[in-house]
Amino acid sequence: DQQVKQNSPSLSVQEGRISILNCDYTNSMFDYFLWYKKYPAEGPTFLISISSIKDKNEDGRFTVFLNKSAKHLSLHIVPSQPGDSAVYFCAASTSNTGKLIFGQGTTLQVKP
Amino acid sequence: DVKVTQSSRYLVKRTGEKVFLECVQDMDHENMFWYRQDPGLGLRLIYFSYDVKMKEKGDIPEGYSVSREKKERFSLILESASTNQTSMYLCASSLASGGSYEQYFGPGTRLTVT
Repeated sequence: DQQVKQNSPSLSVQEGRISILNCDYTNSMFDYFLWYKKYPAEGPTFLISISSIKDKNEDGRFTVFLNKSAKHLSLHIVPSQPGDSAVYFCAASTSNTGKLIFGQGTTLQVKP
Repeated sequence: DVKVTQSSRYLVKRTGEKVFLECVQDMDHENMFWYRQDPGLGLRLIYFSYDVKMKEKGDIPEGYSVSREKKERFSLILESASTNQTSMYLCASSLASGGSYEQYFGPGTRLTVT
């Protein structure tokens, strides 16, 4: 039972363009969402998060959008840079559990 | 700056061996986690711990056990390694409260069981 799904295994974009990574979830009890970035042979690093009381959070080139009615979130990277090439995981949590449920990941390739 | 370290970056073991993976965090975090990462499956939680000597099963605990004798250290044990346990193992830690759900990850251990 995959509660958090990233249906696109890979995405390729041109440098300078927008990258949009998508994530869907099924559990309406999730109230906090995070995006992690992972380079090969390294552990995931936190990128950006959003609480369910918001619908948008921005941090520099990265913006996360949350659509609770559709149980969908997306990560926008503008402009995309070759150094953004990595695997991106979305994750979700419910209050007080401390646990994160991760999606399968999307491999982003940004071409120079 | 949070640091999570794992005892080995690469490990090769034989089927049937007992394997210990060690994880240490230096930020006094209450929560610690063990995941495995496999292509197309994302990060799957094996075990987690909310406190010293406390442990709870995650989504895929079969074939694994854990030990947390000290707050900063969380060990994953493969009692009898099998080839289907070949994977990338990731340890993470987080605060128990404060509204932040962010987990901090170690660099991972690539385990190969032959």
